[in-house]
Amino acid sequence: GNSVTQMEGPVTLSEEAFLTINCTYTATGYPSLFWYVQYPGEGLQLLLKATKADDKGSNKGFEATYRKETTSFHLEKGSVQVSDSAVYFCALGGEYGGSQGNLIFGKGTKLSVKP
Amino acid sequence: NAGVTQTPKFQVLKTGQSMTLQCAQDMNHNSMYWYRQDPGMGLRLIYYSASEGTTDKGEVPNGYNVSRLNKREFSLRLESAAPSQTSVYFCASLKSRRGGRETQYFGPGTRLLVL
Repeated sequence: GNSVTQMEGPVTLSEEAFLTINCTYTATGYPSLFWYVQYPGEGLQLLLKATKADDKGSNKGFEATYRKETTSFHLEKGSVQVSDSAVYFCALGGEYGGSQGNLIFGKGTKLSVKP
Repeated sequence: NAGVTQTPKFQVLKTGQSMTLQCAQDMNHNSMYWYRQDPGMGLRLIYYSASEGTTDKGEVPNGYNVSRLNKREFSLRLESAAPSQTSVYFCASLKSRRGGRETQYFGPGTRLLVL
């Protein structure tokens, strides 16, 4: 079935380090891909998204490129800050033969950034 | 705009008790969702409502019922709570389901503990 696989955490980095969180997916058709972020004690909020192959989503210094050939949507940031400490979720949506609009989430990756 | 609101924020129940989690959105969205979040499991869809008057099961519907009271409100009911239903519950809404390209907006969550 359709699924999302994220790298397991937790990930601990020093401030200004480079971040990569891997995400790969299995789906039929042409899904949309999302990264959501959850700050401590809060709900999820959209970080970025891409709706077709080769699209690059970006926001707050984070980027992810929709790679259909490798079925991946890895999240990157060149220089993390302490305020980026959160849990990051990769999600699959769109036309995958099932319920449009519904999302399938990865298990989440907890990021801790130390000063 | 308040966005998506959820009540209560926190609840403790005894096994066998019932309760209803409330969710409301003021964005005039058509679709609404209920998820549960468990450690190491990501978010899993319990039920969703594609439009007012319709509801459908998600991945983990057993033990839950839902009501789409009107376009704004979507409630989740536990008729007889079990310890396995201890979780954080998130409500989300979506404007439309155009191929799943649009963003889901999440509430702040309800933390439920079943003893």
